[in-house]
Amino acid sequence: GQNIDQPTEMTATEGAIVQINCTYQTSGFNGLFWYQQHAGEAPTFLSYNVLDGLEEKGRFSSFLSRSKGYSYLLLKELQMKDSASYLCAVPDQTGANNLFFGTGTRLTVIP
Amino acid sequence: ETGVTQSPTHLIKTRGQQVTLRCSSQSGHNTVSWYQQALGQGPQFIFQYYREEENGRGNFPPRFSGLQFPNYSSELNVNALELDDSALYLCASSFPTGGTEQYFGPGTRLTVT
Repeated sequence: GQNIDQPTEMTATEGAIVQINCTYQTSGFNGLFWYQQHAGEAPTFLSYNVLDGLEEKGRFSSFLSRSKGYSYLLLKELQMKDSASYLCAVPDQTGANNLFFGTGTRLTVIP
Repeated sequence: ETGVTQSPTHLIKTRGQQVTLRCSSQSGHNTVSWYQQALGQGPQFIFQYYREEENGRGNFPPRFSGLQFPNYSSELNVNALELDDSALYLCASSFPTGGTEQYFGPGTRLTVT
């Protein structure tokens, strides 16, 4: 089976740094995705990690440790518009290129 | 490049009715996946279509069915609607290769009363 654990909610201050953790269990690991989803909108792709280590994309970075079944998303210089849900996902085992999502972490950025 | 589109945006149905939701995939993508997202939850995989055939299915009953057309657009049909079917239904298109990004449409908000 597959399982993903993320914190349900987080709050951080504008301009600060926040780290959103994700632990996963899956067989046949084939990468880990992070998506951002604003309320009532579609998820949008943030990052994809298949190798261990940190990948940086502007204010957002994503880290993966395959041996620990662990990933995190790091958001720097937080802005109010970063208030959203952040979804951790791994390829689903039921077929090609489907995603198994965690419940998401709802991040609230406060002034 | 045209993104993923879905219709309708919102829909209200009564328990026991049937509904059809539509999705047009992103230009060049030949695979469409459907997800159900209940309030406060992550999206749950319903099924995927590739070359007009079902190519994987999640833990959803047979009253959830679908189609894919030669132009790669797709429909999701739900029969005998239940109150718990109220959710955001997301369509995502991609290439059928593990590890590639899925592009999501804006979703259809279905309310069953």
